[in-house]
Amino acid sequence: GAVVSQHPSRVICKSGTSVKIECRSLDFQATTMFWYRQFPKQSLMLMATSNEGSKATYEQGVEKDKFLINHASLTLSTLTVTSAHPEDSSFYICSASPGTGYTDTQYFGPGTRLTVL
Amino acid sequence: LAKTTQPISMDSYEGQEVNITCSHNNIATNDYITWYQQFPSQGPRFIIQGYKTKVTNEVASLFIPADRKSSTLSLPRVSLSDTAVYYCLVGGTDKLIFGTGTRLQVFP
Repeated sequence: GAVVSQHPSRVICKSGTSVKIECRSLDFQATTMFWYRQFPKQSLMLMATSNEGSKATYEQGVEKDKFLINHASLTLSTLTVTSAHPEDSSFYICSASPGTGYTDTQYFGPGTRLTVL
Repeated sequence: LAKTTQPISMDSYEGQEVNITCSHNNIATNDYITWYQQFPSQGPRFIIQGYKTKVTNEVASLFIPADRKSSTLSLPRVSLSDTAVYYCLVGGTDKLIFGTGTRLQVFP
């Protein structure tokens, strides 16, 4: 149980375009979903936290107008990278939790590798 | 900003016990410690979580001293498939901070 999927697994786009990444909890209801970014050989950095039906909470330094997050249902959250640039190229990973707090177990998706040309 | 640090890498041989430490000097009262395993180009996989003292499950043990400023993940008998990057995560009321990660290489 506790499976989280992401789509697409890999995307290549031109600079200036927007890319949407979907995160789904397949067998449980995700009250909270998290979005992370991971650069090569580095740790995961939390970008934002979203609760179903509420606006996402962004970490310091993350532009909310550039990284749009929607958590419309208890099983789906989307991250849209708007006007992507090469420096946005990274591995984006979502996680989902049935709980509401940062101490609850997170179940991670397989990640999406974004390459911006 | 709180820092959570780990050794960059560790080497081991199959069948040996491996202990990976994580330093989290600024841990808060409400923070829990969770350890994850990550293979290349995959999302992290949950290993174990604890708050204090010792926690054991079917794959690992987690040791947390009384001051909680560090934690140690213990993998009892590693195999080649345990070669991966291991992260500690300190999470509480208002933060989620992943450690710097430890790359474990297991040799035959």
